Amino acid sequence: SQKIEQNSEALNIQEGKTATLTCNYTNYSPAYLQWYRQDPGRGPVFLLLIRENEKEKRKERLKVTFDTTLKQSLFHITASQPADSATYLCALGGYSSASKIIFGSGTRLSIRP
Amino acid sequence: NAGVMQNPRHLVRRRGQEARLRCSPMKGHSHVYWYRQLPEEGLKFMVYLQKENIIDESGMPKERFSAEFPKEGPSILRIQQVVRGDSAAYFCASANTDTDTQYFGPGTRLTVL
Repeated sequence: SQKIEQNSEALNIQEGKTATLTCNYTNYSPAYLQWYRQDPGRGPVFLLLIRENEKEKRKERLKVTFDTTLKQSLFHITASQPADSATYLCALGGYSSASKIIFGSGTRLSIRP
Repeated sequence: NAGVMQNPRHLVRRRGQEARLRCSPMKGHSHVYWYRQLPEEGLKFMVYLQKENIIDESGMPKERFSAEFPKEGPSILRIQQVVRGDSAAYFCASANTDTDTQYFGPGTRLTVL
């Protein structure tokens, strides 16, 4: 069955460093991959989408890579700040507009001052 | 342009009662998705609807759960005869037919006593 795995442990990073989160998947060939941020008690907020034919995408301090051979995406936050502390979810989507998106369980990121 | 609206934000029910969760998608969005999230877990897909149609309900329990998205008004997720195991956060997301990105509401936190 389709499976998505994110960093199983919470990630603690010193402010100013680059945080790198991992998303691995099996038994799936997604058309695209998305990253969301979720704060406690709130709904997920969309951050970035990267398609299968794209290797890398950037948005301000965020960078996402997508390796369909390794079946892996890396999510980087450069110059991390305490305000970046949250849970980050990766999600995979299919080719059909009717395809449901499958979410990973998320990685909790804490940025210490 | 208002975001996805969900109400109520918090709902308390006793075992055996019915729970009705409402979701108003973003203006112009005709695709609605419902997810369930347990504490410390990822989002689990439940059902995907378009106006007056259920497209994919593969993630929804066969009994006690139903969903609708009428021509007029919000989408409704209905849980009959609730049990303690139904306690969770229920999120609704909406999407435009031309994009893959889902925009999430703030969620309804259901507590079954």
